[in-house]
Amino acid sequence: DAGITQSPRYKITETGRQVTLMCHQTWSHSYMFWYRQDLGHGLRLIYYSAAADITDKGEVPDGYVVSRSKTENFPLTLESATRSQTSVYFCATWETSGRRNEQFFGPGTRLTVL
Amino acid sequence: AQKITQTQPGMFVQEKEAVTLDCTYDTSDPSYGLFWYKQPSSGEMIFLIYQGSYDQQNATEGRYSLNFQKARKSANLVISASQLGDSAMYFCAMRNINQFYFGTGTSLTVIP
Repeated sequence: DAGITQSPRYKITETGRQVTLMCHQTWSHSYMFWYRQDLGHGLRLIYYSAAADITDKGEVPDGYVVSRSKTENFPLTLESATRSQTSVYFCATWETSGRRNEQFFGPGTRLTVL
Repeated sequence: AQKITQTQPGMFVQEKEAVTLDCTYDTSDPSYGLFWYKQPSSGEMIFLIYQGSYDQQNATEGRYSLNFQKARKSANLVISASQLGDSAMYFCAMRNINQFYFGTGTSLTVIP
């Protein structure tokens, strides 16, 4: 089906381990984003990408790494997971030419760091 | 600095009544966009409505309307004829250049 997929949907890991969250889109939207959602904070932008090989930091980038070698994929890596990175992670794309200018969100990945 | 402020952590509304969810924003850029998203308990983010900073008229999408007051920097969401399925978290967001900023959300409960 067309849209945004995220994998895994649920992940439990331990402090200090490396974790990669995957995001894949089928639309070829230029922009892709990673957010984390925590109670009391809403969604906060971690990183975004305007196109393949172009990435930039958002509001809370520390402890995260991204890459975008292909337009359709935008993986997020936690190089050494910490408990404070326990959160729900959303990937999103942005259709800049659309009338509604909306972002499209993936289903989210719930990450628990023990 | 907080760019989007939602001051109502929780709201209750009677079924079939209208409800207004407040949102104020902060930007010095003349070009921006304002959005509302709904997040039901299942967790997905559902787009509701969009207002561009240059749009002259308030946006409407079915039962949703956005009360855009540019001078006050407010973008309140109005839901008319509330339904039980409207119970959810509602997030206001702003696109500023190529970044998006979200508020902390308002939890809406519709009472039968």
